[in-house]
Amino acid sequence: AQKVTQAQTEISVVEKEDVTLDCVYETRDTTYYLFWYKQPPSGELVFLIRRNSFDEQNEISGRYSWNFQKSTSSFNFTITASQVVDSAVYFCALSESQGGSEKLVFGKGMKLTVNP
Amino acid sequence: EAQVTQNPRYLITVTGKKLTVTCSQNMNHEYMSWYRQDPGLGLRQIYYSMNVEVTDKGDVPEGYKVSRKEKRNFPLILESPSPNQTSLYFCASSLRIAGGLYNEQFFGPGTRLTVL
Repeated sequence: AQKVTQAQTEISVVEKEDVTLDCVYETRDTTYYLFWYKQPPSGELVFLIRRNSFDEQNEISGRYSWNFQKSTSSFNFTITASQVVDSAVYFCALSESQGGSEKLVFGKGMKLTVNP
Repeated sequence: EAQVTQNPRYLITVTGKKLTVTCSQNMNHEYMSWYRQDPGLGLRQIYYSMNVEVTDKGDVPEGYKVSRKEKRNFPLILESPSPNQTSLYFCASSLRIAGGLYNEQFFGPGTRLTVL
C-alpha cells in the first residue's frame, strides 16, 4: 500500500498565483517525521522542511507555508505568490522506524510549472 | 564544504557487466541510503545503512548490493546489471537522532545509469 500519496502529479500556474501541494500519508508509528524536498530542473534534491509527529504547529518561511494535520494525515505545502523559480518537482516523504528498521518513503512527486 | 559525492555522474554500460557507483560523505553521518528515481514512481529506497557494518533492504533491493566498511563510504554494486536498472540514482546521508529516527537527508548530485 502506498504510504505517501501526492495525488496531483502536475500543476501549472501563472506567476503570482498561490498553489497548494497536497500530501497524505499513512503510518502506524506514533512517532514519525514528515519532509518536503524540492527538485529543480537542475536535478539536485533540496531539503525544505521537516516536521515531527508531535508538532502540529503550522510553519511559514517566506512565501512557503506548511499545514500539518494529524487528524487527516496530511502535510500540505503552500507557495504564496509563486515565481518562475518555484518550478520544480516537489516530493513529500515520511520516515518510518518499525521493527528496528528505518526507512524514508517518498511520494511520487508533483511537478509544478510556474509560467511568467 | 559539507557534501555527498557520487561517482560516476553518468554511466552507460551493457547488460551483465558488473559496476559500482561510489558514494562518500564528509559530515560524519551515521545513516546512508541509496534511492532510484524513475518517472512516475518518485524516489524509491534501495538499501540503507544505519552505521558501519549495518545495512538493510529498502523497498527495491533486488539486483543490488551494498557495503558499509567505513562510515564515510557506501558503494552501490550492480553485479549483473539489466536494462530495468536504467535509472537516476541518488545517495544520501543523515544524522541519526536518539531513538532511531533521523534528520533530513543530504543528497548527492545523482548518477544517471543506462544499461543497454
